[in-house]
Amino acid sequence: DVKVTQSSRYLVKRTGEKVFLECVQDMDHENMFWYRQDPGLGLRLIYFSYDVKMKEKGDIPEGYSVSREKKERFSLILESASTNQTSMYLCASSTGQSTNEKLFFGSGTQLSVL
Amino acid sequence: AQSVTQLGSHVSVSEGALVLLRCNYSSSVPPYLFWYVQYPNQGLQLLLKYTSAATLVKGINGFEAEFKKSETSFHLTKPSAHMSDAAEYFCAVSEGQAGTALIFGKGTTLSVSS
Repeated sequence: DVKVTQSSRYLVKRTGEKVFLECVQDMDHENMFWYRQDPGLGLRLIYFSYDVKMKEKGDIPEGYSVSREKKERFSLILESASTNQTSMYLCASSTGQSTNEKLFFGSGTQLSVL
Repeated sequence: AQSVTQLGSHVSVSEGALVLLRCNYSSSVPPYLFWYVQYPNQGLQLLLKYTSAATLVKGINGFEAEFKKSETSFHLTKPSAHMSDAAEYFCAVSEGQAGTALIFGKGTTLSVSS
């Protein structure tokens, strides 16, 4: 069965800490995405990548960076965590050159920044 | 740039009643449109997608959606609600071009009462 795995289900960090959220997919997908999900705001795109070492800013990239050194792994980095980054983070992947393909989602990481 | 608006953050129906979840989109090119569902404590999964082949799209679990270009709408329906349909539903739009990503609406929570 295809899988997108996020390394942590729950994470608690302190303000100012550097935070790494890891995502691995086993489907050899070209495209990977990071969204954050907040009540009443739906899913908002942070960053995405359509190839190794490539990255594109989404709608809300401020305060985040990403890394994609290998095709299967896409990391989201919070350089200095702040309380307004408390959220559910969802990783997704898809195949193909166009975005009419189905997204496969991980189960999410609930990050709390205290 | 594309965008999607879901009308109604919360919809409540009785078991056996019609389900109607509304979605309107904005896109500068013919769009690809999707409905995803998120059951409690789970990741998102694809319900159905429109990719210009047919305006009436059938998905999983008895759901369907109709693409209406004149109304820029892609409303999700199910003739008879079941308790297991209680979840959050997200409409999403894509322009299908390489280097772009799926943009989601804010979501609609469906409650089903017995």
